[in-house]
Amino acid sequence: ETGVTQSPTHLIKTRGQQVTLRCSSQSGHNTVSWYQQALGQGPQFIFQYYREEENGRGNFPPRFSGLQFPNYSSELNVNALELDDSALYLCASSLFQMNTEAFFGQGTRLTVV
Amino acid sequence: AQSVTQLGSHVSVSEGALVLLRCNYSSSVPPYLFWYVQYPNQGLQLLLKYTSAATLVKGINGFEAEFKKSETSFHLTKPSAHMSDAAEYFCAVTTRGSQGNLIFGKGTKLSVKP
Repeated sequence: ETGVTQSPTHLIKTRGQQVTLRCSSQSGHNTVSWYQQALGQGPQFIFQYYREEENGRGNFPPRFSGLQFPNYSSELNVNALELDDSALYLCASSLFQMNTEAFFGQGTRLTVV
Repeated sequence: AQSVTQLGSHVSVSEGALVLLRCNYSSSVPPYLFWYVQYPNQGLQLLLKYTSAATLVKGINGFEAEFKKSETSFHLTKPSAHMSDAAEYFCAVTTRGSQGNLIFGKGTKLSVKP
């Protein structure tokens, strides 16, 4: 069991609304990455945060944004929700550029109706 | 650019049989490769990783994988399947010097028949 925790575990939102997902990284890790996993697909990289700044971004629109706090925890914000945003959102913590391994949280299941 | 291809979206084996899950990668620089397992409604758990040391990598739960540069492959194997191995398996790649973001394959769902 990893020390990465995500909240909430499940969430239902209406199209057009905004949502904030939270992640607490594993102790000693300074980097947080967010992934979107649509049903039946592999996770897709959204972005990564290091030293409270975005440090790499996948092919996601600007309405996906994030924050990292001094304690290395992180938030993922999604504005103007669309039905296709329904997915499992995974947070992963790691050590910056060590490229060894990332530890994943249990995820937040977002349903947009 | 890196990519991962997992051959077979669904693999079914009998309990006690050999498990072979296939992964081929594409990378212009030496890759780091990973296998993750995902149980229903859960996050990803690291099974094993290749980071340019030994080409035969042993992981948890009796799984192992062999890095074959000439074949650009990193197939996952287990000699004898258990019912508890039923899950979805993801192969992922990243490279030294990248931001460390993982590129995942689409996954292979493993079913184990009694």
